[in-house]
Amino acid sequence: KQEVTQIPAALSVPEGENLVLNCSFTDSAIYNLQWFRQDPGKGLTSLLLIQSSQREQTSGRLNASLDKSSGRSTLYIAASQPGDSATYLCAVLHGSSNTGKLIFGQGTTLQVKP
Amino acid sequence: SQTIHQWPATLVQPVGSPLSLECTVEGTSNPNLYWYRQAAGRGLQLLFYSVGIGQISSEVPQNLSASRPQDRQFILSSKKLLLSDSGFYLCAWIVGSKNTEAFFGQGTRLTVV
Repeated sequence: KQEVTQIPAALSVPEGENLVLNCSFTDSAIYNLQWFRQDPGKGLTSLLLIQSSQREQTSGRLNASLDKSSGRSTLYIAASQPGDSATYLCAVLHGSSNTGKLIFGQGTTLQVKP
Repeated sequence: SQTIHQWPATLVQPVGSPLSLECTVEGTSNPNLYWYRQAAGRGLQLLFYSVGIGQISSEVPQNLSASRPQDRQFILSSKKLLLSDSGFYLCAWIVGSKNTEAFFGQGTRLTVV
């Protein structure tokens, strides 16, 4: 059974810091891994998608890496801003893209203080 | 463009009443569709997923059911709601292609009273 774990559960940093969020999964047979952002009471916004054959993806101040063999991914946020405050979720597409399940971690709640 | 619609945004229902939440997608065909529930302070729990019309896989035995009457329509239902059905329900879709990115609706906040 695929399990996804995110560490830490919560994080509070001053504005301007660089930070790393961690995601691990138990079964390396994934099709891809996706990082999402969720603001309170809202749906999920896709941040980055990493295919199983890729090692990293970048979008602006965000960089996500994937080490499929060790079952780990990290989301790096550079020069954090108060607007980055949200819950960050990672999810793996387990199995194939045609019949796969999207399995989520519990999320990391980030607070960036001005 | 590809969009996903989910309604209603909020719902307050008494215990024992029926439920119907609808999710539709536009701008794509033959998507994989998913229903998730997020309880307060918890992660997303996969409830149902569907890879095609009439094809429903249930992940967790519970008081809910799902149906897919059309390619781009996914419905979550209950005949009699329980207090424990309260939560934030999210619909998601994935197009089975090289870029299998998942997209989510804005969610329905269900409160059973």
